[in-house]
Amino acid sequence: GAVVSQHPSRVICKSGTSVKIECRSLDFQATTMFWYRQFPKQSLMLMATSNEGSKATYEQGVEKDKFLINHASLTLSTLTVTSAHPEDSSFYICSARGQGAFLFNEKLFFGSGTQLSVL
Amino acid sequence: QKEVEQNSGPLSVPEGAIASLNCTYSDRVSQSFFWYRQYSGKSPELIMSIYSNGDKEDGRFTAQLNKASQYVSLLIRDSQPSDSATYLCAVNGPDDMRFGAGTRLTVKP
Repeated sequence: GAVVSQHPSRVICKSGTSVKIECRSLDFQATTMFWYRQFPKQSLMLMATSNEGSKATYEQGVEKDKFLINHASLTLSTLTVTSAHPEDSSFYICSARGQGAFLFNEKLFFGSGTQLSVL
Repeated sequence: QKEVEQNSGPLSVPEGAIASLNCTYSDRVSQSFFWYRQYSGKSPELIMSIYSNGDKEDGRFTAQLNKASQYVSLLIRDSQPSDSATYLCAVNGPDDMRFGAGTRLTVKP
């Protein structure tokens, strides 16, 4: 099956620093990538949707200047948490939707997630 | 705003029993429906997808879809302790995929 690689898997940083998370589709072209955040014992919350070559669409309440998303190619999207604070500590997960057959288009392939801890 | 509703649980069943997980959605445009399983600290993994009304079976899992009632369910037969996880219902729209809050399932040996 399709593979989405997400790095790093875990990061601990000091308050005020910036953290970049990478999400790569390894064997398919991801026309759309989604970024989710998940707090403990809560569901996935969609943060933003990014299409290759265009600006990301952010969900209401998500600060676009704080969570910078770049989707410069069909295989790579990055999420940068700028000036991270303890309340940004969460599990961040990317997912990708490919192009091609109808069924392939529908499914989401998830990265393994990044646990961010801001001290 | 699309909404996907699930009972948060926890749902507890004995080993070997049938676990029944339910989900309702509010967006009538939705065409694709998925069940994901998520273990603590891990990403969701796809278990079942269903696109048309009726039942779809895959091993011990059966997904049921009723578009008129905007209802989708997942049955797990012969539940095993390894099935203990959070199950997320996901509904696909034209632009994005929305998830329910998840139902926590515990299968007791």
